[in-house]
Amino acid sequence: KAGVTQTPRYLIKTRGQQVTLSCSPISGHRSVSWYQQTPGQGLQFLFEYFSETQRNKGNFPGRFSGRQFSNSRSEMNVSTLELGDSALYLCASSTAGNEQFFGPGTRLTVL
Amino acid sequence: GENVEQHPSTLSVQEGDSAVIKCTYSDSASNYFPWYKQELGKGPQLIIDIRSNVGEKKDQRIAVTLNKTAKHFSLHITETQPEDSAVYFCAASTSYSSGYALNFGKGTSLLVTP
Repeated sequence: KAGVTQTPRYLIKTRGQQVTLSCSPISGHRSVSWYQQTPGQGLQFLFEYFSETQRNKGNFPGRFSGRQFSNSRSEMNVSTLELGDSALYLCASSTAGNEQFFGPGTRLTVL
Repeated sequence: GENVEQHPSTLSVQEGDSAVIKCTYSDSASNYFPWYKQELGKGPQLIIDIRSNVGEKKDQRIAVTLNKTAKHFSLHITETQPEDSAVYFCAASTSYSSGYALNFGKGTSLLVTP
């Protein structure tokens, strides 16, 4: 079974721009969660989607948003990028809940 | 919200020795406790997990113990090998009525020297 895939793997943007990251979950998995990983804050939960509905949201500003499509693929968007948004963004998929399998991540650098 | 503390932040052991990483959590409603291994340039890999109705679980050289009363859980790696060198994260999860969220510890960088 193919694992979780994330595209792109690396991204460089400038402050004020917006960015969209994509995640394809493991086949059959309907839950997709997003996490931000930074050296200072570690791994922090952004949001979780299940069957195209956001079920849970972490403590991030409204500039961070996401969506899930009918095939369970998910995208997250960050608008008005700030330097502090530089991080590894990880997507994890699950059949229905807490046993989550992570993708390789998208490394976002904001200049 | 849930707060997960993980110790130590770095751990160096000789090949063949055991390694122990400890975590505490604050939310008594947490009921799922996974451990992840993250190698450089890769995403976290689930290596073992335990649920709140179980006190101990073992998978070959890896074991996890859970003490719900004290709200702490530990990862034990026996007969360590150089390829065990990585960053290990513990996490705690609460099953909300509408979804899940993993709350992670800050990680332990394990170095196994030959």
